[in-house]
Amino acid sequence: NAGVTQTPKFQVLKTGQSMTLQCAQDMNHEYMSWYRQDPGMGLRLIHYSVGAGITDQGEVPNGYNVSRSTTEDFPLRLLSAAPSQTSVYFCASSTPGQSSYEQYFGPGTRLTVT
Amino acid sequence: AQSVSQHNHHVILSEAASLELGCNYSYGGTVNLFWYVQYPGQHLQLLLKYFSGDPLVKGIKGFEAEFIKSKFSFNLRKPSVQWSDTAEYFCAVNEPHDYKLSFGAGTTVTVRA
Repeated sequence: NAGVTQTPKFQVLKTGQSMTLQCAQDMNHEYMSWYRQDPGMGLRLIHYSVGAGITDQGEVPNGYNVSRSTTEDFPLRLLSAAPSQTSVYFCASSTPGQSSYEQYFGPGTRLTVT
Repeated sequence: AQSVSQHNHHVILSEAASLELGCNYSYGGTVNLFWYVQYPGQHLQLLLKYFSGDPLVKGIKGFEAEFIKSKFSFNLRKPSVQWSDTAEYFCAVNEPHDYKLSFGAGTTVTVRA
């Protein structure tokens, strides 16, 4: 049971490039989400999904797209990278089977946009 | 979204000192409360959580937190810290049956040997 996995661990992009951050979980969790972590700002929710085929925006969705075609995978796409998107990105999953909706986090992707 | 405030940005302690990190949230209704820890270079791990019952919650590694509803607070404590407690600590809140977590800005704790 690998939990939540993310690839790549590190990525450097030039301004304007696009890329996809991968996230997968093997716990059959319905809920998946993407956060970005910036110094002094904690974690902010980018997008989330409550099940396959259902996604919604979080607090800071601009510049990012998501889709959820399977329960296991929840990729995050950067359409045209900007330096303001330099951050550490965390994927998380959860399930209503947990009474407090505890979320399990992946190891993170450190993205630098130059 | 909830507003979560962590009062200390950076705390520096010596080993064996006691630790208390403050956390306040804005929502007046029922909430679930969490403390997560992020050790250097690692992902977030759950330290402890509160969603009902005894307001004094015990977590892993000797940490505990007390929920005080009247003060909208959920402070984290450890009586005697170790060098290995050096990490960043995040308080987080959600409403019941809502997956979305709101995080505080985090507190960096440095424990000197």
